[in-house]
Amino acid sequence: DTEVTQTPKHLVMGMTNKKSLKCEQHMGHRAMYWYKQKAKKPPELMFVYSYEKLSINESVPSRFSPECPNSSLLNLHLHALQPEDSALYLCASSQDILAGRNEQFFGPGTRLTVL
Amino acid sequence: AQKVTQAQTEISVVEKEDVTLDCVYETRDTTYYLFWYKQPPSGELVFLIRRNSFDEQNEISGRYSWNFQKSTSSFNFTITASQVVDSAVYFCALLTNAGKSTFGDGTTLTVKP
Repeated sequence: DTEVTQTPKHLVMGMTNKKSLKCEQHMGHRAMYWYKQKAKKPPELMFVYSYEKLSINESVPSRFSPECPNSSLLNLHLHALQPEDSALYLCASSQDILAGRNEQFFGPGTRLTVL
Repeated sequence: AQKVTQAQTEISVVEKEDVTLDCVYETRDTTYYLFWYKQPPSGELVFLIRRNSFDEQNEISGRYSWNFQKSTSSFNFTITASQVVDSAVYFCALLTNAGKSTFGDGTTLTVKP
């Protein structure tokens, strides 16, 4: 299995809702990533997990809360989002975060709309 | 600080033309990796190639070829005999140790029949 899966594919939520995005990989990778991508922009790194520990948090607002329950799963919990948070959320994984082992495989993304 | 510059925002060619997408990067790290990704309208980022900072050999894969020149900090991507299916946004990205990645702004390639 050489793919990263993400659910749901599409999500529409109100500003008061609580929802979660899920990401899963079965490649034995020990690094997982969340990116946010606005239309016509490049992906922006949000969080990096290495061996289930948060390694990088790129000053993301607290309304986004990542969780890595095990080495195969990565969640992104959403609460009290704003309309400007509407974007494509991409998950990626790599063997490791170290150079030479950090080639990232991306999932298909979750397209989030906040009303 | 890391930076990746893709100066061409949009390129439009006619099918069968060759096209080169430019990528220039900046980093103080001596060990790093450069990538090209393709993002079709469906949204998924498709990995095309990885090149490490110690390997300046050019590479050809079918209609795709890459020219890495460390002296000019460039990693350009050429599509030979372009096809309509090549239409997509192409991103150049730089990865250093610790998993920190920086993407260029992307080049939107449109190949017309």
